[in-house]
Amino acid sequence: DVKVTQSSRYLVKRTGEKVFLECVQDMDHENMFWYRQDPGLGLRLIYFSYDVKMKEKGDIPEGYSVSREKKERFSLILESASTNQTSMYLCASSLTGNSNQPQHFGDGTRLSIL
Amino acid sequence: AQSVTQLDSQVPVFEEAPVELRCNYSSSVSVYLFWYVQYPNQGLQLLLKYLSGSTLVKGINGFEAEFNKSQTSFHLRKPSVHISDTAEYFCAVSSNFGNEKLTFGTGTRLTIIP
Repeated sequence: DVKVTQSSRYLVKRTGEKVFLECVQDMDHENMFWYRQDPGLGLRLIYFSYDVKMKEKGDIPEGYSVSREKKERFSLILESASTNQTSMYLCASSLTGNSNQPQHFGDGTRLSIL
Repeated sequence: AQSVTQLDSQVPVFEEAPVELRCNYSSSVSVYLFWYVQYPNQGLQLLLKYLSGSTLVKGINGFEAEFNKSQTSFHLRKPSVHISDTAEYFCAVSSNFGNEKLTFGTGTRLTIIP
């Protein structure tokens, strides 16, 4: 079974801090994704990566950046956290970039910015 | 570009009653369709997917969905629900074209009434 592990389940940070969210997958998947989930808005794609050191903007990349130095690890970075970035963040991976591949999700990080 | 509409944000159902969760999509090209389930405090799990072939797709936990191209729908059904089905359900679509990303609906919260 694919395992996608997010480093923290809950995180509390202050406005203006630089925040790192880490995600690791153990099945040699090519693609990795970061979403944020908000009530009534569903999941919105922030960034995705289809290879090491490659990244693509999703639908809401503003205020975020990502890093993929190794195939199994995909980091989401909030450069200067703001209260409107309080949300649930979900990491996912898929075997290949083909759009018929299902995505496998981590359990999420609930981030609060005070 | 594609889009997904889940008209029902909340669906309460009595235990052992049938349920249908509605999903409509919009796309100018052929699509792949997915249903994901999110149990409380967890990430998303794949429930079932439609890629091609038979329009009736069976998934885990007794769920099934029917792809209707003329009505651009992919409704999820279960003939008899259990308390353990309490969760949020997300419909998602990707286009049958290369490396297109998934687009999620806003989710339907299914509450089972004992």
